[in-house]
Amino acid sequence: GNSVTQMEGPVTLSEEAFLTINCTYTATGYPSLFWYVQYPGEGLQLLLKATKADDKGSNKGFEATYRKETTSFHLEKGSVQVSDSAVYFCALSDRSTGNQFYFGTGTSLTVIP
Amino acid sequence: SQTIHQWPATLVQPVGSPLSLECTVEGTSNPNLYWYRQAAGRGLQLLFYSVGIGQISSEVPQNLSASRPQDRQFILSSKKLLLSDSGFYLCAWSVLPLSGGPQQYFGPGTRLTVT
Repeated sequence: GNSVTQMEGPVTLSEEAFLTINCTYTATGYPSLFWYVQYPGEGLQLLLKATKADDKGSNKGFEATYRKETTSFHLEKGSVQVSDSAVYFCALSDRSTGNQFYFGTGTSLTVIP
Repeated sequence: SQTIHQWPATLVQPVGSPLSLECTVEGTSNPNLYWYRQAAGRGLQLLFYSVGIGQISSEVPQNLSASRPQDRQFILSSKKLLLSDSGFYLCAWSVLPLSGGPQQYFGPGTRLTVT
């Protein structure tokens, strides 16, 4: 079946530190992969996505590369800011299961000045 | 452009009372619609999804139900709330674009506290 596994949080970093949030997946077909961000008290917003192997999604300084060989889609940012404090969700969607979305459990990030 | 509305934004209800949360989507036709619940400090749990009017699929057994009376309206209901129903309820919609793969869009959420 389809599933997403994220590194457990919470993660606390100092401003300008390097961020990596690990995400691995299991899928029966050829999924699209996503990172969503949830700021406190709000719904989820799409941060970036990749639809095929070796694609790199990027947005707001965040990047993730679709690695089919390692079934991974790790989120990275070179220099985090206080405003990046949020919960980050990795997700996949697979045509073989009707384009249902499967989410990881979320990783809480706090950036301190 | 497409927008998704949820109301109310916050709700405090006593145990045993009924519930009705509403979600409407604008700017798209025949979307797939979803209800998720997010318990405090936890991930998303898919509760229901719908691929069309009157078509509801339930992912987990519970005392909640969902209905889709119109193409762009999705309602989450309960006859009698439990304490464990407290959480953050998110409505979402998705369509499959001609290119670029699927994408899911979320509403602002409803914070439900059952007392």
